Amino acid sequence: AQSVAQPEDQVNVAEGNPLTVKCTYSVSGNPYLFWYVQYPNRGLQFLLKYITGDNLVKGSYGFEAEFNKSQTSFHLKKPSALVSDSALYFCAVRDLGTSGSARQLTFGSGTQLTVLP
Amino acid sequence: NAGVMQNPRHLVRRRGQEARLRCSPMKGHSHVYWYRQLPEEGLKFMVYLQKENIIDESGMPKERFSAEFPKEGPSILRIQQVVRGDSAAYFCASSPPELGQETQYFGPGTRLLVL
Repeated sequence: AQSVAQPEDQVNVAEGNPLTVKCTYSVSGNPYLFWYVQYPNRGLQFLLKYITGDNLVKGSYGFEAEFNKSQTSFHLKKPSALVSDSALYFCAVRDLGTSGSARQLTFGSGTQLTVLP
Repeated sequence: NAGVMQNPRHLVRRRGQEARLRCSPMKGHSHVYWYRQLPEEGLKFMVYLQKENIIDESGMPKERFSAEFPKEGPSILRIQQVVRGDSAAYFCASSPPELGQETQYFGPGTRLLVL
C-alpha cells in the first residue's frame, strides 16, 4: 500500500524568506511523486512531479522539490516566498510497484501555507 | 486548450435524491479519475475510467455510487439516495493515455451539499 505524510498542517513564513513544505512517502516499488496547490474553492493545480532523473525538480511559479530516496522524502521548496503563494499544498504519490492498471494517486492531508507580508 | 471541465460547480440535494456530476476531460485525454474531498481532508481516490471501461473502482463506496465514461459525452459520477455524509467536493482529473505521461490535471470540482 502507498501512503503520504505531510507532518505540518500549517506553515507560516515571512515574505521574501525561503519556504519548505515537507512530504514523506511510503511505497512498495518506485514512486511517482507530485505536488499540487489548491486555492480556496478551486481545483488542484499541478506544480511539479518526479518520475525519474535528476533528484531536484523545478516546477511552476519558482517552486522546486528534491527527491531523497534514502529518506523517502519529497519536500517542496521556494527560495523567496510571495504573499500570493498562500494556499493549501498537497503532496501525492503513485506506487509503480502496483499493477499497471492502478493509476490512483494517494494524497497527503495537505499543508496550509501562509506567507506574511 | 480548455482544461478539465466539471458541472455543476455547486449542487444542492435533499436526502434521498440523486446527484449527477459531470466531467469533460482535457482534449486528447482518455483517462478520467474521480476523487472526493471531505471538509478539512485531503483527496481520496474513488474510481479510474477509460472510455467505456471502469479500470479501478477500489475507492468507490459499495452502494449508491456509480460511474461511467461513455464513448460519447462526459464522464458521470452518480450518487443515488444521497445522505448528509455525501456532502463533499468531488474532483475529476484526466490524463493522457501514454505511459510516462501520467500527470493528472484536475477540474474545478463540484461541491455537493446534502440538506
